[in-house]
Amino acid sequence: EPEVTQTPSHQVTQMGQEVILRCVPISNHLYFYWYRQILGQKVEFLVSFYNNEISEKSEIFDDQFSVERPDGSNFTLKIRSTKLEDSAMYFCASRRGLAGTTTDTQYFGPGTRLTVL
Amino acid sequence: SQQGEEDPQALSIQEGENATMNCSYKTSINNLQWYRQNSGRGLVHLILIRSNEREKHSGRLRVTLDTSKKSSSLLITASRAADTASYFCAPADRGSTLGRLYFGRGTQLTVWP
Repeated sequence: EPEVTQTPSHQVTQMGQEVILRCVPISNHLYFYWYRQILGQKVEFLVSFYNNEISEKSEIFDDQFSVERPDGSNFTLKIRSTKLEDSAMYFCASRRGLAGTTTDTQYFGPGTRLTVL
Repeated sequence: SQQGEEDPQALSIQEGENATMNCSYKTSINNLQWYRQNSGRGLVHLILIRSNEREKHSGRLRVTLDTSKKSSSLLITASRAADTASYFCAPADRGSTLGRLYFGRGTQLTVWP
């Protein structure tokens, strides 16, 4: 069964450094998402991406964050200058996007645990 | 916001018993999805129920949806220790075609052998 994959599984970085989290969505999917989960808290939406542009972003997704689909398979989340509070599990998700509706399943990757020291 | 709120926050049962978790949401939806998360791991999709469906089954899972009450329930029958996890409902807004999901704090299910 196709699945969303994410690399690395764990990333440790120093405060102020840039990090890039990588995701490979399911191959025929059209909508892509990033979510994060701070330890012990809810899963929070960051951004959605469709047709090579951001379609929606939350208030968390400030100028320090950016997303890119550099080729036909990868979807990346960049944090330019990491803060301590960026430490969290970051999940990528994708869905097929049938007929422009939301009546289809969103599949999540296993996550990247980001630790900012 | 349109987040799902799960109830109870924690549920502890013996193997073989049934587990019922409830979810409430605020506005009209296109669908509602249930996910499971084992501690420190990713979100595993369990089942999606569309707004025009009232009940859906998948193996030992049964999901109901009552749009008039803006609520859903997830029933796990004949539970196993391996079902121990956090369970989340995620409603998808009717007003959006973008599919953003809103998660609550989940129900932490513990199944004792």
